[in-house]
Amino acid sequence: QSVLTQPPSVSAAPGQKVTISCSGSNFNIGNNYVCWYQQLPGTAPKLLIYDNNKRPSGIPDRFSGSKSGTSATLGITGLQTGDEGDYYCGTWDNSMSASYVFGTGTKVTVL
Amino acid sequence: QVQLQESGPGLVKPSETLSLTCSVSGYSITSGYYWGWIRQPPGKGLEWIESIYYSGSTFYNPSLKSRVTVSVDTTKNQLSLKLRSVTAADTAVYYCARAYCVTTSCYTFDYWGQGALVTVSS
Repeated sequence: QSVLTQPPSVSAAPGQKVTISCSGSNFNIGNNYVCWYQQLPGTAPKLLIYDNNKRPSGIPDRFSGSKSGTSATLGITGLQTGDEGDYYCGTWDNSMSASYVFGTGTKVTVL
Repeated sequence: QVQLQESGPGLVKPSETLSLTCSVSGYSITSGYYWGWIRQPPGKGLEWIESIYYSGSTFYNPSLKSRVTVSVDTTKNQLSLKLRSVTAADTAVYYCARAYCVTTSCYTFDYWGQGALVTVSS
């Protein structure tokens, strides 16, 4: 049971926008940087967003990240069929069992 | 370009020890980053196992720590994972990744290996 909660799935038509939420607490999101990872079918996760809202080199600006309080959001604009896959948030959790935690994951479907 | 490649047995018997190696190329594991292991049971989410610096400093998942040993071999530019007393619940794809960590926490896994599926079964 992850301490970071994401919606199980989101969907939209090609060209549209989706947002994925990641809800946590002051033990994790509220006091630490958030990352987002993309996992396309049959592949390893790939870093999409780090430090809440920064994109690694090569990641298109269709992907954006934000954080407010104990929640973070990933936005994908201009949705493409190649964006179909699972998306995970991640951050450090400072609770008694301090560890890196991933969100429950969200499946993005392009209709 | 940083590349990571996991290797090891794909089948381990219950109660035995799972052993994996991650070979890093294109970057020296002594050059300032941590290196971590993450696993993903079939059809499920990601679980962080441990991250290690070449000096031996580690961040670990308390829920797995009693069964896990992670180490680095700087001469081979490799890191390794040993998970003892495995059960079917340890069946997963195991990934190694480069990790950005500071004094008190880890923040980012920026380069990942392709993953190695390990099945625990008799």
